[in-house]
Amino acid sequence: GAVVSQHPSRVICKSGTSVKIECRSLDFQATTMFWYRQFPKQSLMLMATSNEGSKATYEQGVEKDKFLINHASLTLSTLTVTSAHPEDSSFYICSASQELWVYTFGSGTRLTVV
Amino acid sequence: EDQVTQSPEALRLQEGESSSLNCSYTVSGLRGLFWYRQDPGKGPEFLFTLYSAGEEKEKERLKATLTKKESFLHITAPKPEDSATYLCAVQPKGGSEKLVFGKGTKLTVNP
Repeated sequence: GAVVSQHPSRVICKSGTSVKIECRSLDFQATTMFWYRQFPKQSLMLMATSNEGSKATYEQGVEKDKFLINHASLTLSTLTVTSAHPEDSSFYICSASQELWVYTFGSGTRLTVV
Repeated sequence: EDQVTQSPEALRLQEGESSSLNCSYTVSGLRGLFWYRQDPGKGPEFLFTLYSAGEEKEKERLKATLTKKESFLHITAPKPEDSATYLCAVQPKGGSEKLVFGKGTKLTVNP
């Protein structure tokens, strides 16, 4: 089946620094990938839709200058959290679709900003 | 506004004790309803997609059903390895592939 790999699985960074998270579709090409954020005991919330070769589409309330998304190839999307602050600490998860209406999720990245 | 409400928030069962999880939704138009399983510190694992009222799908001890307002995930004779958080999500009709998730039901199955 489809596999989505996400790296790193956890990262701790200092406040004010930037962190990059990678999402790869291992055995299929994904023209569209999705980035979600999950706070403890809360729903997964879609942050943005990443489109290969074009700009990402951000959900309302998500700062596009803070959460930079790059989808440079059909198998790789990256999310960079710029100038991270403690309130950005969360669980970030990507997903991709190999076939219509079937969404495979990565294993997630636990970001802690200290 | 599209919304998904899952109940109960948490459920404890004894091994072999069957039960159901509920997912109520309001959406302008439903393209699909999704069930996922999420283990602690991991991403969601796909279980089912349901598209229309009356549809049912089964996988091992799990069975998902769909009506126009809600979906149920029935767990028959659960085992400890079924312990996880079960997430429900809807995908509204339209151009976006956005999934709207509920907060999940945390299931614990005791041996």
